[in-house]
Amino acid sequence: DQQVKQNSPSLSVQEGRISILNCDYTNSMFDYFLWYKKYPAEGPTFLISISSIKDKNEDGRFTVFLNKSAKHLSLHIVPSQPGDSAVYFCAASGKGGGGADGLTFGKGTHLIIQP
Amino acid sequence: ETGVTQTPRHLVMGMTNKKSLKCEQHLGHNAMYWYKQSAKKPLELMFVYSLEERVENNSVPSRFSPECPNSSHLFLHLHTLQPEDSALYLCASSPVLPGREQYFGPGTRLTVT
Repeated sequence: DQQVKQNSPSLSVQEGRISILNCDYTNSMFDYFLWYKKYPAEGPTFLISISSIKDKNEDGRFTVFLNKSAKHLSLHIVPSQPGDSAVYFCAASGKGGGGADGLTFGKGTHLIIQP
Repeated sequence: ETGVTQTPRHLVMGMTNKKSLKCEQHLGHNAMYWYKQSAKKPLELMFVYSLEERVENNSVPSRFSPECPNSSHLFLHLHTLQPEDSALYLCASSPVLPGREQYFGPGTRLTVT
């Protein structure tokens, strides 16, 4: 049973526009959420995170929103740039998730920025 | 070298072979992890080590045997694997537990024939 779900395997966005990547989770014990970015032939790199005590965290062009009642989070990238083309993974942490100390990942969304 | 390195980057092995994957972190972190990513599946946590002690084993078959001789090095020993074990194996580290922001290596692409 997948506890972290990214229902869009891919997303195509025009350069300069906003990219919105979505993630849903089922385990109410998760209390920390992260987004990772992955280029081909490289490991995932940490992008941005949010604690469950917040509903928004912003870092430059990247903003993560958390809706605890809906068990939903989203990553907004604005404006989108060609270098943002990558696979984006949503991950969650907390007791009862991927173990006490590990991360539970979604399957990823492949973001393609069109020139 | 910086960050988390993994060797080899690619490995092809037969079902009767024994091989080892190596991970090294140059970040001074105290926790290290092995993850597996199979095709069309999310990353799955396999093992967690903190200060060279295993703190988690996510029901991984015994044909995968981890070893953490010190806080900078992590190995995954492989023996009598099955074709369905073919996957990308990723190592990660974090400063402490719980490992919220983890730093990943580039992975080892393993093919079992």
